Amino acid sequence: DSGVTQTPKHLITATGQRVTLRCSPRSGDLSVYWYQQSLDQGLQFLIQYYNGEERAKGNILERFSAQQFPDLHSELNLSSLELGDSALYFCASSPTQGYQETQYFGPGTRLLVL
Amino acid sequence: LAKTTQPISMDSYEGQEVNITCSHNNIATNDYITWYQQFPSQGPRFIIQGYKTKVTNEVASLFIPADRKSSTLSLPRVSLSDTAVYYCLVGDLNDYKLSFGAGTTVTVRA
Repeated sequence: DSGVTQTPKHLITATGQRVTLRCSPRSGDLSVYWYQQSLDQGLQFLIQYYNGEERAKGNILERFSAQQFPDLHSELNLSSLELGDSALYFCASSPTQGYQETQYFGPGTRLLVL
Repeated sequence: LAKTTQPISMDSYEGQEVNITCSHNNIATNDYITWYQQFPSQGPRFIIQGYKTKVTNEVASLFIPADRKSSTLSLPRVSLSDTAVYYCLVGDLNDYKLSFGAGTTVTVRA
C-alpha cells in the first residue's frame, strides 16, 4: 500500500460524457502527478501539481483538466470522452518535487468509455 | 530527455539472478538513473536510483559503469512474485515527471 488513494476504482461511461477522477496523496506529500496508461501508448505523464499550483504539463489533451485543492487532494476532469480515452489513470505523489524523489503511485482508476 | 533502450522481455527461473541492462547513450551529466517495477493493473513502484558506480538496497542492485551510457538492474534470487514489468528511466533533478518507455517484461517460472 503506497498510501495514495484513488477513487473510483472502475468507471464505465459513454462517449461524450464527462468524468472526474479523485486522488488523495500520501500524508505530507505536496506534489501530485497524473499518468495515463493505455495499451498502445504505454504509461504517459499528464500533469503535475505542487502545493496547489500547476508545475509541469505533459501529453494532456485540452479536453482534460486537473486541479489540486488546499487539502492537497487532486481531481482530474475528463470531458467529451472518446473511445480512445479508455485507459488506466494513475495518480502519484511525492514529498516535494524533483526527479530524485520517489513517486508513490496509487492503485489507479480504470476508465472504460463505450 | 535521454532515450533509454531495454529488452522487451526476459525469462528466468525461481532462485536465479536476473540482470536487465538499459542503454542510455545520450545521458547528460546531471541525469540520474531510476528503475520502477509494475505489476499488472497496479501503479509502478520505485525500486532503486543511482548516479554512478553501484547502488544496493534490500530489493536490488544497480550497476553503472564509468561512462554511464548503460546501467544494469540486478534482481538476486528471483521468485514468482518478481514477475512484472521493469522500467528504466533517466532524468535530471529538475525533471518533475517520469518518462516511461516500454519496459522489460520479466517472467519468472517455477
